[in-house]
Amino acid sequence: DVKVTQSSRYLVKRTGEKVFLECVQDMDHENMFWYRQDPGLGLRLIYFSYDVKMKEKGDIPEGYSVSREKKERFSLILESASTNQTSMYLCASSPGALGVEQYFGPGTRLTVT
Amino acid sequence: DQQVKQNSPSLSVQEGRISILNCDYTNSMFDYFLWYKKYPAEGPTFLISISSIKDKNEDGRFTVFLNKSAKHLSLHIVPSQPGDSAVYFCAATSGAQKLVFGQGTRLTINP
Repeated sequence: DVKVTQSSRYLVKRTGEKVFLECVQDMDHENMFWYRQDPGLGLRLIYFSYDVKMKEKGDIPEGYSVSREKKERFSLILESASTNQTSMYLCASSPGALGVEQYFGPGTRLTVT
Repeated sequence: DQQVKQNSPSLSVQEGRISILNCDYTNSMFDYFLWYKKYPAEGPTFLISISSIKDKNEDGRFTVFLNKSAKHLSLHIVPSQPGDSAVYFCAATSGAQKLVFGQGTRLTINP
């Protein structure tokens, strides 16, 4: 079974703090994604990566950056957290050429106060 | 610009009856569609998919129908069970590996 893990289930940070969200997948997938989920807005893509050290902006990249130094790990960075970044953050991976189905981690509920 | 829309935020169905969740899309380049199910405090899990070359795909109690001319797909769950209570997301792709998700529909199955 594909397993996608996220470093924290719940996180509380203060405005202005730098926040790191880590995601690891164990299926040698090419693609990795970061989404945020907000009520009534569905899943919105923040950033994605097709390969190590490759990254592309999604629909809402402002205020975020990412890092993919190893194939299995994709990090989301909030350079200076703000209250409007309070959300559920979901990481996903997909095989790439072998399939588009994405496999999701359990999510991190981030609260910025 | 919402390319994938789920216009019903919530749906309530009696146990044993049919649940029908709907999804509309605007991008005619989409050629593969997926449904995901999400329980609270968990990540979405893949449920069923359909390619644009088909108009129906079935997997047990779950059937997805695709109407390309109307740019509409639906997920049928028969019979509905209490464990089906969750948020359902439809998603679409044009083969670019990136999925576009709808807003989600919260399905509640009543005993």
